[in-house]
Amino acid sequence: DAKTTQPPSMDCAEGRAANLPCNHSTISGNEYVYWYRQIHSQGPQYIIHGLKNNETNEMASLIITEDRKSSTLILPHATLRDTAVYYCIVRANTGNQFYFGTGTSLTVIP
Amino acid sequence: DVKVTQSSRYLVKRTGEKVFLECVQDMDHENMFWYRQDPGLGLRLIYFSYDVKMKEKGDIPEGYSVSREKKERFSLILESASTNQTSMYLCASSMLGQPGGETQYFGPGTRLLVL
Repeated sequence: DAKTTQPPSMDCAEGRAANLPCNHSTISGNEYVYWYRQIHSQGPQYIIHGLKNNETNEMASLIITEDRKSSTLILPHATLRDTAVYYCIVRANTGNQFYFGTGTSLTVIP
Repeated sequence: DVKVTQSSRYLVKRTGEKVFLECVQDMDHENMFWYRQDPGLGLRLIYFSYDVKMKEKGDIPEGYSVSREKKERFSLILESASTNQTSMYLCASSMLGQPGGETQYFGPGTRLLVL
């Protein structure tokens, strides 16, 4: 699975959009981009994933660049409950496990 | 919504005890996984299972065993708990061959302390 690079930490004002970047320059054609988050002392929570096209669900939007070498997770209106570590993972369609790196620690500030 | 539950959120055991961690999923998923999470080391796969009575070793199976007698239930067993098995244990499940990617859904985790 391709390696990902994320900033270690970010702050975002409550009510504003949180844009979390991820670089995955070695991504292969069959690899998906997944985003999870983990609130302190809880299990990782699935947010969204995509292959080529931008995706949106009730939690977030995923923007993948045309060359697929980077992506951005967008939380449109961040709340205090969105404070968590966000993980960007690149993975083929099937595989044994997800490799979680160190992620981005997002702090939403009142 | 997918629901993955784990039998305990917090557990304290003594060195040498046999420990059972239970995981149940309600989405009829074929795949189930056990990870442990430690600071600075991320998630590491212990064991996984693609079907009832089937099991495969992950990256760190030593000191652990698993049991999958029913499709919805995957148990992790510490035969003789040791202090270096103090960790957060996470169970996950996914649908085999899910169109659009085999998304894994995680349980809330069990924080195990071995004294």
